Amino acid sequence: DTGVSQDPRHKITKRGQNVTFRCDPISEHNRLYWYRQTLGQGPEFLTYFQNEAQLEKSRLLSDRFSAERPKGSFSTLEIQRTEQGDSAMYLCASSSGTSGYTGELFFGEGSRLTVL
Amino acid sequence: AQSVTQPDIHITVSEGASLELRCNYSYGATPYLFWYVQSPGQGLQLLLKYFSGDTLVQGIKGFEAEFKRSQSSFNLRKPSVHWSDAAEYFCAVRPESSYKLIFGSGTRLLVRP
Repeated sequence: DTGVSQDPRHKITKRGQNVTFRCDPISEHNRLYWYRQTLGQGPEFLTYFQNEAQLEKSRLLSDRFSAERPKGSFSTLEIQRTEQGDSAMYLCASSSGTSGYTGELFFGEGSRLTVL
Repeated sequence: AQSVTQPDIHITVSEGASLELRCNYSYGATPYLFWYVQSPGQGLQLLLKYFSGDTLVQGIKGFEAEFKRSQSSFNLRKPSVHWSDAAEYFCAVRPESSYKLIFGSGTRLLVRP
């Protein structure tokens, strides 16, 4: 399968713990996006990368959230000192230069975070 | 700020019936508009997009959407719904200055046998 893959698919953690999600985009895609989706809502933009450069961050991305994309390949999203309000599905998407311009993002199946 | 409104949280239609899902956007310039579908256990998939030109756009799986500037709408339609169309549908807009998408809150489609 050459789609966007995310790991882990489901993470349960206790409040105050740190968690990290990984996203492997489609190999030829240079743009990578992170979104958060809560129940009954649409995906909310968090941040995106072009190659290894983080070009845009949402105000939703508090100081406890950090994303990296070393070498412009896979990306990690870390949440420090998790809170119950962080419980959500974290979606990763990727696009090429052309598909990103036309709005065609290729999404992974998401990583579901449950904070107890 | 750009925003997207999907006024219907749930819609139920009978299999074989026609479908229209509503989407209204708020954006100053000509928007780039999209419809995505999210099926259970699957990632979001692009159904269709509008950039400019013909206001009626065709997408995959037999879907189409019509851009109406006067009504700030981009409604999704399908003439005959199949049971496999049951999913959540999201309208989205892309600001000209960014590659991010701004999504609506979604409409869940239920298909009655």
